[in-house]
Amino acid sequence: GENVEQHPSTLSVQEGDSAVIKCTYSDSASNYFPWYKQELGKRPQLIIDIRSNVGEKKDQRIAVTLNKTAKHFSLHITETQPEDSAVYFCAASGGNTPLVFGKGTRLSVIA
Amino acid sequence: DGGITQSPKYLFRKEGQNVTLSCEQNLNHDAMYWYRQDPGQGLRLIYYSQIVNDFQKGDIAEGYSVSREKKESFPLTVTSAQKNPTAFYLCASSTVTGIGNEQFFGPGTRLTVL
Repeated sequence: GENVEQHPSTLSVQEGDSAVIKCTYSDSASNYFPWYKQELGKRPQLIIDIRSNVGEKKDQRIAVTLNKTAKHFSLHITETQPEDSAVYFCAASGGNTPLVFGKGTRLSVIA
Repeated sequence: DGGITQSPKYLFRKEGQNVTLSCEQNLNHDAMYWYRQDPGQGLRLIYYSQIVNDFQKGDIAEGYSVSREKKESFPLTVTSAQKNPTAFYLCASSTVTGIGNEQFFGPGTRLTVL
């Protein structure tokens, strides 16, 4: 089955700097890669997703890149703000299978 | 977000007792999921259901049971066979399982075994 590895587990950046979180996956059949943000005590919420026919997708300060050959995808947050502090999860799925999540990255933005 | 609800928010259980967590959605989603969240472990899939009266085991199904008698409801029972049940439990739903289907999460139930 699918296995998703996520790095780093914790990340601290200064406000205004960029943050990058990386994930690798094992199943070449996977074709959907979402990113979720979970604030303390809250539910995870989708912030961006990408499909295998696209290499990059942007939404304001957030972007995701996908390299299907290398089986990895990354989340990029530019101009970080204190409200970006949260746990971020990557996930992957393909065909008719449920999402498989990475273990999460705790991002701290220091003002 | 408001379309999927879980109750209760906090639940305390004595060892040896079964307990049922509620999950309801009004999004008309076919697929529903239960995840367990522990610190540093991410979201681990317990059970999922793609259609009424059918469900499949996830990665950590032992000690848990589910039912899907109605499209809107997917309750999870934590049985006494679950050795370490204290955790945060998240329910989710999506239109169907698989490609391009955003999962919407409920607010979660925090279960503590005393």
